[in-house]
Amino acid sequence: EAQVTQNPRYLITVTGKKLTVTCSQNMNHEYMSWYRQDPGLGLRQIYYSMNVEVTDKGDVPEGYKVSRKEKRNFPLILESPSPNQTSLYFCASTRSGGPGNTIYFGEGSWLTVV
Amino acid sequence: QKEVEQNSGPLSVPEGAIASLNCTYSDRGSQSFFWYRQYSGKSPELIMSIYSNGDKEDGRFTAQLNKASQYVSLLIRDSQPSDSATYLCAVNRPGGFKTIFGAGTRLFVKA
Repeated sequence: EAQVTQNPRYLITVTGKKLTVTCSQNMNHEYMSWYRQDPGLGLRQIYYSMNVEVTDKGDVPEGYKVSRKEKRNFPLILESPSPNQTSLYFCASTRSGGPGNTIYFGEGSWLTVV
Repeated sequence: QKEVEQNSGPLSVPEGAIASLNCTYSDRGSQSFFWYRQYSGKSPELIMSIYSNGDKEDGRFTAQLNKASQYVSLLIRDSQPSDSATYLCAVNRPGGFKTIFGAGTRLFVKA
């Protein structure tokens, strides 16, 4: 079954405590990305990766890091989380970044920073 | 001006009616257009994609694209309570590597 798996699904953490949200896909897709979803703002892209070792900033990259050492994995790192990073996060993958390709989303990770 | 704009709603329609959802986009070079449905607390799922002017039908869903006016719409015929969700309009920027989402329209279908 085609899947994008992200963990943890729910997390409450404190300001400044580094955390990593993992993401893995089993579809051999080249293109992966991270979004955050906030009320009234919709889905906003944080970072994306077009292939192994190729990453680039999306529209809201501040406070986040990513890495793409393997094709299937694309972790999101919050080095020093702050309360404004409280949000619902989605990892996503597509076969390629070109037009017409379906985006497959993970189930989402609810993150609260206190 | 947001790159992709939708009326946040909520849009409320009776069961069996046609629900009409609208979306406008600002970049004339945009190539591909999508409608995603998102149930509360769940991830978005693709329901329609459209690439050329005109209508595209898939079951009860019809997507309409007008590039000259820079709008895309989604019609849901014979609306069902199970259609109650947030509908996200998404647009690929020129080059195709980035997808921009609207904030979504909440739809309620009353039984």
